[in-house]
Amino acid sequence: DAKTTQPNSMESNEEEPVHLPCNHSTISGTDYIHWYRQLPSQGPEYVIHGLTSNVNNRMASLAIAEDRKSSTLILHRATLRDAAVYYCILRVYGNEKLTFGTGTRLTIIP
Amino acid sequence: DSGVTQTPKHLITATGQRVTLRCSPRSGDLSVYWYQQSLDQGLQFLIHYYNGEERAKGNILERFSAQQFPDLHSELNLSSLELGDSALYFCASSAGQFGYTFGSGTRLTVV
Repeated sequence: DAKTTQPNSMESNEEEPVHLPCNHSTISGTDYIHWYRQLPSQGPEYVIHGLTSNVNNRMASLAIAEDRKSSTLILHRATLRDAAVYYCILRVYGNEKLTFGTGTRLTIIP
Repeated sequence: DSGVTQTPKHLITATGQRVTLRCSPRSGDLSVYWYQQSLDQGLQFLIHYYNGEERAKGNILERFSAQQFPDLHSELNLSSLELGDSALYFCASSAGQFGYTFGSGTRLTVV
């Protein structure tokens, strides 16, 4: 599985946007970029995914670099409930397995 | 409620014992995945079943086994338990290529 690199931790103020970076320099053309998050004492939760174009949904936006070697998960207005570990995962089309890394622990400051 | 149901939520057992963890996938999802999360290893993929058939194996010990039944629920059997098997065990289901739905997990403590 191709590897992703994320900062171990980040902090952000409540009600401000948060940009969570992910590097995936060895990404191949068939790898989808997935983001999951895990709130304390809960199972991981799907956030968003994309292939080449930027994507938006009700939870977040995903900005993908033109060369696809990096991406950024954007939370437009962080709340305390967004405090979680965020995982950036590359998923090969046709391979249903998700390989989780260590993720980024996001702390929201009130 | 994610739609994926795992039972029991908590389990405490002694070393050497055998336990069974159960997972009911979200309605309509044919795929079930099992993950183990321990403090020092993070989330580790164990095994994937699709419509009753094993599709992929990850870092699953020989003491562990799983199956998926005709009604699509799945069971993870852990035997000859060791202290190091203490962890959170998550089940997830999916309908296809995108988006897993995870359950809330079973916390196993081996004493």
